[in-house]
Amino acid sequence: GNSVTQMEGPVTLSEEAFLTINCTYTATGYPSLFWYVQYPGEGLQLLLKATKADDKGSNKGFEATYRKETTSFHLEKGSVQVSDSAVYFCALTSYNTDKLIFGTGTRLQVFP
Amino acid sequence: NAGVMQNPRHLVRRRGQEARLRCSPMKGHSHVYWYRQLPEEGLKFMVYLQKENIIDESGMPKERFSAEFPKEGPSILRIQQVVRGDSAAYFCASSPQGGASNEQFFGPGTRLTVL
Repeated sequence: GNSVTQMEGPVTLSEEAFLTINCTYTATGYPSLFWYVQYPGEGLQLLLKATKADDKGSNKGFEATYRKETTSFHLEKGSVQVSDSAVYFCALTSYNTDKLIFGTGTRLQVFP
Repeated sequence: NAGVMQNPRHLVRRRGQEARLRCSPMKGHSHVYWYRQLPEEGLKFMVYLQKENIIDESGMPKERFSAEFPKEGPSILRIQQVVRGDSAAYFCASSPQGGASNEQFFGPGTRLTVL
């Protein structure tokens, strides 16, 4: 079945460091891929998405490229800020269903 | 435009009681999804509803759990005879239309604690 695997956290970085959070997926057909962010005590917010191979999603300095050949959708940011501290979830929807399938989440902690 | 609203934000129940979780989707959204987040885990899909219809309930436990989205009013997730294992955060999401590539907008969640 469809699944998402993302790196375990926590990821601890100093402010202005480079961020990579790995995400790989297993899916039939051509899934849509998403990154959601969850700040403490809040619901999830869509950070970015990509709906077909080689698409790059970007938002707030974060980027992720849909790589079909490696079934990956790694999240990157060139310079993190303390305010980026949150839990990041990689997710997919399969072509024939609306339900989101989530990875287990990666907690990011950024220190000044 | 108000976001997705869920209430209550926190709910405490004793074993054997009933829990009712409410979700009001964003204005103009007719598609509602419920997800459950167990401690230190990702979100798991439970059920997908449109007005008055259940579209996909493949993630719902077979017993004690039910969901509805009536023509008028919020969507309700109902858990009968709660057990400690039901303690989790329950998130509702909505979208204006279906489709695998469409964004789902999440509410703040209801945190259920079963004593």
